[in-house]
Amino acid sequence: EAQVTQNPRYLITVTGKKLTVTCSQNMNHEYMSWYRQDPGLGLRQIYYSMNVEVTDKGDVPEGYKVSRKEKRNFPLILESPSPNQTSLYFCASSSKTIRDRAYEQYFGPGTRLTVT
Amino acid sequence: RKEVEQDPGPFNVPEGATVAFNCTYSNSASQSFFWYRQDCRKEPKLLMSVYSSGNEDGRFTAQLNRASQYISLLIRDSKLSDSATYLCVVEGGYNKLIFGAGTRLAVHP
Repeated sequence: EAQVTQNPRYLITVTGKKLTVTCSQNMNHEYMSWYRQDPGLGLRQIYYSMNVEVTDKGDVPEGYKVSRKEKRNFPLILESPSPNQTSLYFCASSSKTIRDRAYEQYFGPGTRLTVT
Repeated sequence: RKEVEQDPGPFNVPEGATVAFNCTYSNSASQSFFWYRQDCRKEPKLLMSVYSSGNEDGRFTAQLNRASQYISLLIRDSKLSDSATYLCVVEGGYNKLIFGAGTRLAVHP
């Protein structure tokens, strides 16, 4: 089954304790992205990756890191989480870029993070 | 001004009703437009792309008005299963999608 998986699905942690949220897709997609979703604000892009070893900042990259060592995996790293990073996080992947016009992103199930 | 604006709703409609959502965007250079559907606490899923000529998929019709910079989604013969949040999505430049905050639809018996 074609899918994007994220782990963990739920996480409660404390300020300053480093954490990693994993993301993996089995569709051989080049493009992957991380978003956070907050009430009233919609999804905001954190980082994206066009392919292996190619990553770039989205709209809200502060406090986050990513890496893309393999095509299928795109982990999100919070080196020193703070309460304002409490949010719902989604990983997404796509086989096409916007220049191809047709652009469907497949989203993972989401990770609900609470930082106290 | 937000880059993509939607009425948050909720729109409460009976089964069988026709309901329309609008969305406005600020970047006149945007070339690609989409509607995504998001069920409560779930991931967004593509509902349909929006083309300049307008397009229809079953009970769903999407329209684009470039001059006024708005996009619409029309749902005919609403079903209970249509209850969800509908996200307007606009291309915001190279490799960037901008999501609206969503319009919530509640269809009741």
